[in-house]
Amino acid sequence: SQTIHQWPATLVQPVGSPLSLECTVEGTSNPNLYWYRQAAGRGLQLLFYSVGIGQISSEVPQNLSASRPQDRQFILSSKKLLLSDSGFYLCAWSAGRFSVDTIYFGEGSWLTVV
Amino acid sequence: GNSVTQMEGPVTLSEEAFLTINCTYTATGYPSLFWYVQYPGEGLQLLLKATKADDKGSNKGFEATYRKETTSFHLEKGSVQVSDSAVYFCALRRIGGTDKLIFGTGTRLQVFP
Repeated sequence: SQTIHQWPATLVQPVGSPLSLECTVEGTSNPNLYWYRQAAGRGLQLLFYSVGIGQISSEVPQNLSASRPQDRQFILSSKKLLLSDSGFYLCAWSAGRFSVDTIYFGEGSWLTVV
Repeated sequence: GNSVTQMEGPVTLSEEAFLTINCTYTATGYPSLFWYVQYPGEGLQLLLKATKADDKGSNKGFEATYRKETTSFHLEKGSVQVSDSAVYFCALRRIGGTDKLIFGTGTRLQVFP
């Protein structure tokens, strides 16, 4: 069966520090990968998605970047964090791009920028 | 454009009460519809889905029917439990573009004994 893991689960970072969140998927190949953010009291916003190695699309302009160095690895980064980057970050995957395909989420990473 | 509208919460119920969380959508084409649940401090879990009109998704006593004529996908459960307390997200996904999930803002459900 397929599983998705992301880490770290929780982190507190000072303003201006770098960020790296990592996500890996097991049990499947060539998944579509996604990074979502859930800000406090708000819904989920798609940040990045990837349909293959090295292929990253950004949904909204922001202080973050994403990379996909391997087929089942997706990394969310920042060179200098802002207070507004605080939130709950969720990695997700799906087997295909058809609307019937379910998107599955990881456990999430809580980021607090202080 | 494509969007999802959910009823605002929190929804507060006593155990064994009947639950309805309204969800309506706007989309071109034929989207698939989903309900996700987020328990406190956790990620999102798929609760149920429906991929075409008149389909009924069901899981753990929850049900939702894909109503194309009213563009709705309301979540229902006949008898809620304290353990159902969570945030529920309605979402749609359609082919084309970024093929992303478009979420509603979420509805918090609180069930008291």
